[in-house]
Amino acid sequence: RKEVEQDPGPFNVPEGATVAFNCTYSNSASQSFFWYRQDCRKEPKLLMSVYSSGNEDGRFTAQLNRASQYISLLIRDSKLSDSATYLCVVNVAGGSYIPTFGRGTSLIVHP
Amino acid sequence: DAGITQSPRYKITETGRQVTLMCHQTWSHSYMFWYRQDLGHGLRLIYYSAAADITDKGEVPDGYVVSRSKTENFPLTLESATRSQTSVYFCASTTGSYTEAFFGQGTRLTVV
Repeated sequence: RKEVEQDPGPFNVPEGATVAFNCTYSNSASQSFFWYRQDCRKEPKLLMSVYSSGNEDGRFTAQLNRASQYISLLIRDSKLSDSATYLCVVNVAGGSYIPTFGRGTSLIVHP
Repeated sequence: DAGITQSPRYKITETGRQVTLMCHQTWSHSYMFWYRQDLGHGLRLIYYSAAADITDKGEVPDGYVVSRSKTENFPLTLESATRSQTSVYFCASTTGSYTEAFFGQGTRLTVV
């Protein structure tokens, strides 16, 4: 079982839609969590960090549920420019904190 | 310019040749990582380094060698390239612990 699991999609949604991505992780000692965005096999870039209290950045909301070992990303009012792959990242504890990636969820926003 | 840079951006090499991918960061981050990205697998960790002269294997280390004599550089060497090593390679760095990783632009390697 991979340490970080994501539904690969693709999620194909119209502009203006709300879409949610989920991610589960297996190591309960994990300490930090992130969502990254990756365009067309370019380098991943940080979208937002994820905190237990939840956090919001404009149209994007991230949630962490430590008890269920579950992370979510909600995108409201989808734009064409949101089309990308969204990577769930967990820093796995074990001496060194190693960013461990899910396989990514592909989002396609169409007109 | 500050940041993390990889070179070359594109490389074609022949099976059996040795090839080195370079990674340089200007932040003095302690941790550096090498990942490969292949369709269907996502980003997989090859090697990482917690500090100069400290390296450790990741998920897919076979066929690769790393070194870190200076904090800012973390080269990745394919000792004898194979077609299965055709991939996009990303170098990343972090300060460690709870912080996010910053990525280089990637090296697209083709082994023919």
